[in-house]
Amino acid sequence: GAGVSQTPSNKVTEKGKYVELRCDPISGHTALYWYRQSLGQGPEFLIYFQGTGAADDSGLPNDRFFAVRPEGSVSTLKIQRTERGDSAVYLCASDTGHIYEQYFGPGTRLTVT
Amino acid sequence: QQQVKQSPQSLIVQKGGISIINCAYENTAFDYFPWYQQFPGKGPALLIAIRPDVSEKKEGRFTISFNKSAKQFSLHIMDSQPGDSATYFCAASISGSARQLTFGSGTQLTVLP
Repeated sequence: GAGVSQTPSNKVTEKGKYVELRCDPISGHTALYWYRQSLGQGPEFLIYFQGTGAADDSGLPNDRFFAVRPEGSVSTLKIQRTERGDSAVYLCASDTGHIYEQYFGPGTRLTVT
Repeated sequence: QQQVKQSPQSLIVQKGGISIINCAYENTAFDYFPWYQQFPGKGPALLIAIRPDVSEKKEGRFTISFNKSAKQFSLHIMDSQPGDSATYFCAASISGSARQLTFGSGTQLTVLP
């Protein structure tokens, strides 16, 4: 079946602009995660959804970052007033909610100029 | 505070050799330990995972060894192949509400032909 998909694959934006990154999880997966990966580092947790609600958003770095999952499937990560330090690969992962095997998408590479 | 420490940062192995990557964790609440493989420009792919009720798990050429008392676990790649050249990440999580993965910093493996 289809894996986790993320769009766009690349996003270049100017400092101060607003961006939205989209994640389509594996069909039937109830849990969805967002991570951020800086160059040469392991992914860092941002937020976790179980169904429509954010079960844990403790990894969001500040209030410029926000994520939604209104129908319990697709999720959007929103970043306001982007800064150069936000440049990274944003990864999305999903699992069944019962078995803790997280499957990752290819990521969105965000570059803030 | 880095909760999962991974070593070495880079590793060069001859084809047919054994690649060994080590991780140590601090949080004794961790109860799920996966390893991920990541190729350039791709998302991490789940390779193999273990829970602390067993000391070893083998899948094909990949083996996880787990030492609960030492809070350490390692990945062994037997008969390493050039196609195994990638970055490997160990990770850990807690069953239940805190299911996000905490990743190590990664090991860049190069298998020479």
